[in-house]
Amino acid sequence: DAGVIQSPRHEVTEMGQEVTLRCKPISGHDYLFWYRQTMMRGLELLIYFNNNVPIDDSGMPEDRFSAKMPNASFSTLKIQPSEPRDSAVYFCASTPRPGYYEQYFGPGTRLTVT
Amino acid sequence: SQQGEEDPQALSIQEGENATMNCSYKTSINNLQWYRQNSGRGLVHLILIRSNEREKHSGRLRVTLDTSKKSSSLLITASRAADTASYFCAMYGQNFVFGPGTRLSVLP
Repeated sequence: DAGVIQSPRHEVTEMGQEVTLRCKPISGHDYLFWYRQTMMRGLELLIYFNNNVPIDDSGMPEDRFSAKMPNASFSTLKIQPSEPRDSAVYFCASTPRPGYYEQYFGPGTRLTVT
Repeated sequence: SQQGEEDPQALSIQEGENATMNCSYKTSINNLQWYRQNSGRGLVHLILIRSNEREKHSGRLRVTLDTSKKSSSLLITASRAADTASYFCAMYGQNFVFGPGTRLSVLP
């Protein structure tokens, strides 16, 4: 298996633009997590899905952020409109069952909003 | 909140020395996991310890868990320069929360 795949690896955009981050989890993993990492706030859980259904989105910072998982092999995190304070590294992770198995992290998307 | 804390925030040691990192949490957990992150990379799982376990080993890694004190420690023995990274504890209970991490520098 290729592991968790994220795209793009780097994204530079101007304030106000829409940004879409993509994630392909490991096949067979029923849980998918989106995290954001910054120096100031560390690693924050934004949202997670179980069998394509959002379970906990309490970490989504505001309405500008939305996440979808249309099928078991694809998820998106969208920011619209983007702001400079959204600049961070966004990670996607998947696991067969949280709490019993480890989470497998993707390489991350480094987002810079100017 | 199940927020965790880690100490020290940063640790610098010489190659061959042991490194100990600590993690504390506030509420009950099902298990606690340790992850490693090299600069610019995603997190990689190191070891998982369940709430009914007290100690686990994996190669040069030793993890302990004290549920009465709500704390865990990660010991890396005979450290190497390649161990230089950030180390995070992650607590799984009602939800999944990562600690702020410890930045370990192993000097050759």
